[in-house]
Amino acid sequence: LAKTTQPISMDSYEGQEVNITCSHNNIATNDYITWYQQFPSQGPRFIIQGYKTKVTNEVASLFIPADRKSSTLSLPRVSLSDTAVYYCLVGDQGGKLIFGQGTELSVKP
Amino acid sequence: GAVVSQHPSRVICKSGTSVKIECRSLDFQATTMFWYRQFPKQSLMLMATSNEGSKATYEQGVEKDKFLINHASLTLSTLTVTSAHPEDSSFYICSARWGDRYNEQFFGPGTRLTVL
Repeated sequence: LAKTTQPISMDSYEGQEVNITCSHNNIATNDYITWYQQFPSQGPRFIIQGYKTKVTNEVASLFIPADRKSSTLSLPRVSLSDTAVYYCLVGDQGGKLIFGQGTELSVKP
Repeated sequence: GAVVSQHPSRVICKSGTSVKIECRSLDFQATTMFWYRQFPKQSLMLMATSNEGSKATYEQGVEKDKFLINHASLTLSTLTVTSAHPEDSSFYICSARWGDRYNEQFFGPGTRLTVL
C-alpha cells in the first residue's frame, strides 16, 4: 500500500502562493494522486487529481515529477478562507480512500 | 459536484442508547457508500464500505455489531451506533460513489455525535 508523508502544518500569509509537498515513494504504476481539503467539522472536498506532469484547475495546480514519488499542491494567492487541512491520497486501495495525517495550513492576515 | 447529505448534523445522546445516522446521495445513485470516523485533530479513519443490497465490509478493528450499516437503496445508507458510550463520541462522515472504483467519491457534511 502506498503511504504518503506530508508536513504536519504550514503557515502562510494572505496573497502568497502556498506549495504543499507530499512524498509517496511506493506509488504504483496505476495509482493516481488526489488532494482533498477539509474545513473543521465538515466533510472533505475534492481539490485536484493527477497522474503525471502538471494539472491545473480553477483552484489549484498539481505538479508531479517524472518519477512520481512526490507531488506538490500549489495554491495561488491564498486567502484566510484557505485555512484548512489538506490531504494527499495515492491510489484507491481497491476502491477505498485511505487518508494520511494531512497538512494543517494556517493563513494569516 | 454531486451532493451527499447527512442527517442529523449533530446528535447528543445518553450512554447506552442507539443512534442512527443517515447518508443520502441527492442527485445520483450511489452503488457504494463509505463510512468514516474522525476524532479531534486526527485524520479520517475508514470504518466500512457498503454496496447497495449487500452486507457491509468492515475495516480491521471496527466492531460489526457495534456499528450497524444498512445500504438498502441506491440513495440511502444508515449507520447505527448501538449502545453508544462516551468513547464513541466522534465526527462521522459518509461518502458515496456511483459506478466503479475509478469514479470520484463525494463526501457528506458529517455528523457530530456526543455521548454523555
